[in-house]
Amino acid sequence: EAQVTQNPRYLITVTGKKLTVTCSQNMNHEYMSWYRQDPGLGLRQIYYSMNVEVTDKGDVPEGYKVSRKEKRNFPLILESPSPNQTSLYFCASSLIRPGVYGYTFGSGTRLTVV
Amino acid sequence: QQQVKQSPQSLIVQKGGISIINCAYENTAFDYFPWYQQFPGKGPALLIAIRPDVSEKKEGRFTISFNKSAKQFSLHIMDSQPGDSATYFCAASKGSSNTGKLIFGQGTTLQVKP
Repeated sequence: EAQVTQNPRYLITVTGKKLTVTCSQNMNHEYMSWYRQDPGLGLRQIYYSMNVEVTDKGDVPEGYKVSRKEKRNFPLILESPSPNQTSLYFCASSLIRPGVYGYTFGSGTRLTVV
Repeated sequence: QQQVKQSPQSLIVQKGGISIINCAYENTAFDYFPWYQQFPGKGPALLIAIRPDVSEKKEGRFTISFNKSAKQFSLHIMDSQPGDSATYFCAASKGSSNTGKLIFGQGTTLQVKP
């Protein structure tokens, strides 16, 4: 089944403890992206990658890191999480560009930082 | 100029009624306007999309109406059903751009009452 897989689905952590949210797609998509979803703010892009080893900042990149060493994987790293990073996170992929082909989203990771 | 403004934030409709969600954009270079549907606990999924060379696109009970001069587009759900209860996001992008970035609206939570 063609899909984007995120792990974990739920995570509660403490301020300052480094964490990684994994994302993997099996559709050979070139473009991958991370979004956070907050009530009343919609979906805001954190980082995106147009291909292997090519990443760039989205609208809200502060406090996050990403890497794209393989085409299928695009992990999101929070080096020192803070409570304002409590949110619902989505990984998404697109064949080439989402403005042409649209996105396939993962099921989300609900992160709580206390 | 990169914003997409979506309204209303929430909507309650009786079964069989028409649900209407509106979006407005500023960037006249946008040329791809999708709508995503998100059920609780799931990631958004592409529902229907339109390009500015047509004023309307219909897929089953879902219709996008597009007004290029007013820089507005809307989603109409005819004969709304309880199974349509979800969060809906509009989005816009300049598909031909190098990044093909999708800009999302704030989201509308639709509840269809039986």
